[in-house]
Amino acid sequence: DIQMTQSPSSLSASAGDRVTITCRASQGISRHLIWYQQKPGKAPNLLIYGASYLQSGVPSRFSGSGSETEFALTISSLQLEDFATYYCQQTYSAPPTFGQGTKLEIK
Amino acid sequence: EVQLEESGGGLVQPGGSLRLSCAASGFSFSSYGMHWLRQAPGKGLEWLSYIGRDDDIIYNADSVKGRFTVSRDNAKKSLYLQMNSLRDDDTAVYYCARTLGASIFGVRYPFYYGMDVWGQGTTVTVSS
Repeated sequence: DIQMTQSPSSLSASAGDRVTITCRASQGISRHLIWYQQKPGKAPNLLIYGASYLQSGVPSRFSGSGSETEFALTISSLQLEDFATYYCQQTYSAPPTFGQGTKLEIK
Repeated sequence: EVQLEESGGGLVQPGGSLRLSCAASGFSFSSYGMHWLRQAPGKGLEWLSYIGRDDDIIYNADSVKGRFTVSRDNAKKSLYLQMNSLRDDDTAVYYCARTLGASIFGVRYPFYYGMDVWGQGTTVTVSS
C-alpha cells in the first residue's frame, strides 16, 4: 500500500495568513492526489483533484501543487471558515490511502 | 439536488452484524463508482471499500476483508455494506461517497477524480 504522510499534524495561524500543508507519498503517484477539507461533525469536502485542479465551487485562495512524491496545499489568505482539518489522498492505486490529517487552528 | 444518505447504523454487540445502506438521489447513480469510508471518534479518514459502476471492480481494505461486503443495486440507486463479525474497533461514523474514474494514456484509474459527494454519515457503535 502507498503511505501518505502529511506535515505538520497541526498548525496555528491567523486570518489573512498564507499557509502551506505538505503531503508526501511513499512512492511516486504522478499527480493522482486529492485534497479534502473537513469541519467538525461534517463529511469531508473535496477541494482539489489531480494535484492542482480546483473543484468547482472551491474558492481560488486554495491551490495545490506537486507531483510524484511531494505535494502541497496552499491557502493564500486564510478566512475564518478555513479553520478545519485537511486530508490528502492518493488515487493512483488501491487502496486509495489518506494522510493522517492536518488540523488548522486559529492562533 | 445531488445527495447521498446513509442509514442502518446503530448499537451492536461484538461479533454481531449490521447492513448499511446509502440512497442516492439527484444524479445518475449507475454512472459512478461508489466508496464506503469510516472515521473513528477523533481519528482520521479510513477507506473501506469501492465498487465499480457495474459491479465490475470491487476493492476492499485489508482491515475489513472477509468481514465486510459491498454491493449495489443500480435500479434502486442504492449502495450497501454488509458488516459481519463486528469488533470494538469498527466503532465509527460510516460514510458513502461517489467517485469518477479516468483513463490516462490507456490506463484506467477508477478513483482519479476523488470523492466529490459524500453522505452525512451513519454512526456504528460496537459495544457489549
